Amino acid sequence: DAGVIQSPRHEVTEMGQEVTLRCKPISGHDYLFWYRQTMMRGLELLIYFNNNVPIDDSGMPEDRFSAKMPNASFSTLKIQPSEPRDSAVYFCASSLGGQGREAFFGQGTRLTVV
Amino acid sequence: GESVGLHLPTLSVQEGDNSIINCAYSNSASDYFIWYKQESGKGPQFIIDIRSNMDKRQGQRVTVLLNKTVKHLSLQIAATQPGDSAVYFCAENTGNQFYFGTGTSLTVIP
Repeated sequence: DAGVIQSPRHEVTEMGQEVTLRCKPISGHDYLFWYRQTMMRGLELLIYFNNNVPIDDSGMPEDRFSAKMPNASFSTLKIQPSEPRDSAVYFCASSLGGQGREAFFGQGTRLTVV
Repeated sequence: GESVGLHLPTLSVQEGDNSIINCAYSNSASDYFIWYKQESGKGPQFIIDIRSNMDKRQGQRVTVLLNKTVKHLSLQIAATQPGDSAVYFCAENTGNQFYFGTGTSLTVIP
């Protein structure tokens, strides 16, 4: 398996534009997590899904952020409109089972909003 | 204005020495813990895990110790190598979520 695949690896966009980050979890994994990593706040959980259903989105910072998982092999994190303070590295991770199971991370998407 | 980031603890060790990285966790109900290694430009990578019914677990060159009384984890790396230079995070599993510490930056001096 190629692991968790994220795209794009880097994204530079102008303030106010819509940004969509993509994630393909490891095949067969039933949990998918979106994290954001910044120097200010470290690694923060934004939202997670179980069997394609959003379970906890309490970490999503604002209504400008939304995430979907239309099927077991694909998820998106969308920011609309984007702001400079959204600049961060966004990681997707997946696991087989939630509690007590290792989460595997993708390489991340480095987002810069100018 | 100047931004203030997290003050990441740092540890510098000589190649070949042993390293000990510490982590305090917050939730006494957490029952599963993982140490992750993150190299520059990459995502966190699993190193070793431990469940709350254990107090020690050993892997290849790494050992994790868990002290539930004081909610403390440590990662010991034997014979540290230059390739071990990275940021190390502990993560506690509560429910179906992982909560990450701020990380420790390890630098190995050749």
